[in-house]
Amino acid sequence: SQTIHQWPATLVQPVGSPLSLECTVEGTSNPNLYWYRQAAGRGLQLLFYSVGIGQISSEVPQNLSASRPQDRQFILSSKKLLLSDSGFYLCAWSPGQGGDYGYTFGSGTRLTVV
Amino acid sequence: GNSVTQMEGPVTLSEEAFLTINCTYTATGYPSLFWYVQYPGEGLQLLLKATKADDKGSNKGFEATYRKETTSFHLEKGSVQVSDSAVYFCALSAGSNYQLIWGAGTKLIIKP
Repeated sequence: SQTIHQWPATLVQPVGSPLSLECTVEGTSNPNLYWYRQAAGRGLQLLFYSVGIGQISSEVPQNLSASRPQDRQFILSSKKLLLSDSGFYLCAWSPGQGGDYGYTFGSGTRLTVV
Repeated sequence: GNSVTQMEGPVTLSEEAFLTINCTYTATGYPSLFWYVQYPGEGLQLLLKATKADDKGSNKGFEATYRKETTSFHLEKGSVQVSDSAVYFCALSAGSNYQLIWGAGTKLIIKP
């Protein structure tokens, strides 16, 4: 069966520090991968998605970047965090083909920038 | 373009009450429709889905019917429990890139 792992679960970082969040998927190949952010009490904001290794699409201009160094690994990064980067970050995957399956989400990372 | 509209929350109900959370959509073609649930502090979980008109998705006592004539996918449950308190997201999948289009989410609060 397929599983998705996301870590760390919580993170407190000072303003100006770097960030690296990692997401890995097991039990499937060539998944579509997604990074979402959810501000407190708000909806989902798609940050990045990837349909293959090295292929990253950015949905909004921001202080963050994403990389996909391996087929089932998706990394969210920042060189210098801002206070506004605080939020709940969710990784998700979907099959590369077929829109009937929806997404499977990781358990999320709560990032607090202080 | 494609979009999803959900009723604004929070929705507050007493235990054992009947629940309806409205969801309407705009889409070209024939989208698939989904309901996700997010419990406090957790990621989203797929609750149910429907992939064609008149399909009924169901899970954990929740149901939703894909109504193409009214472009709706309302979530219902006959008797809610305190443990159903969560945020519910309606979403659709359309187009060749299979990305989900999300509603804003509806917070449900069930009081004992």
